[in-house]
Amino acid sequence: AQSVTQLGSHVSVSEGALVLLRCNYSSSVPPYLFWYVQYPNQGLQLLLKYTSAATLVKGINGFEAEFKKSETSFHLTKPSAHMSDAAEYFCAVSDQGSGGGADGLTFGKGTHLIIQP
Amino acid sequence: EAQVTQNPRYLITVTGKKLTVTCSQNMNHEYMSWYRQDPGLGLRQIYYSMNVEVTDKGDVPEGYKVSRKEKRNFPLILESPSPNQTSLYFCASSLSGFASYEQYFGPGTRLTVT
Repeated sequence: AQSVTQLGSHVSVSEGALVLLRCNYSSSVPPYLFWYVQYPNQGLQLLLKYTSAATLVKGINGFEAEFKKSETSFHLTKPSAHMSDAAEYFCAVSDQGSGGGADGLTFGKGTHLIIQP
Repeated sequence: EAQVTQNPRYLITVTGKKLTVTCSQNMNHEYMSWYRQDPGLGLRQIYYSMNVEVTDKGDVPEGYKVSRKEKRNFPLILESPSPNQTSLYFCASSLSGFASYEQYFGPGTRLTVT
């Protein structure tokens, strides 16, 4: 069974500072990995995904994430935080070859990113 | 515009009164799914559907029903709602149920059961 751990339910950074949101996963087979963002009162939207191509994945809004198999991690980073980045961020894992459903996409509990002016 | 729509967006009801939350997508997606989001628990899958007339349980199916009679629609039914079903519900769809495909989420339905 797969699982996701997001370290830190809340992360606070200053505007212009580096954003680092941590995600560790466990999976019995090579995973697909996703980061989704949820802005207040909205649904989730995809930031980026890893599907076994390049280990450094670039997404929207200047975010990127690096897949590190040895560390079972997929941390999300952004060099310079903007006020508009304030949102809830979810890491998710899916086993390659699965058909979705209960063994499909598993979400972490989320990290609330706070941007200090 | 490609989107997933949910109705209603907000609903307050009483224990035991049957309700339905509708979900519709206009992207011709095969795969659809329902999640509930609770503070500190992230998103948990309730039910999913790989295609028309094919549905299966997710992680937390108790107290919920679904149907998939048409490709675009995937309603969530609470036959006898209870207060522990108070939550934020999301419908999602993707082109295929294969694991690499992105899921597109609706705007959410906030349900309160008193």
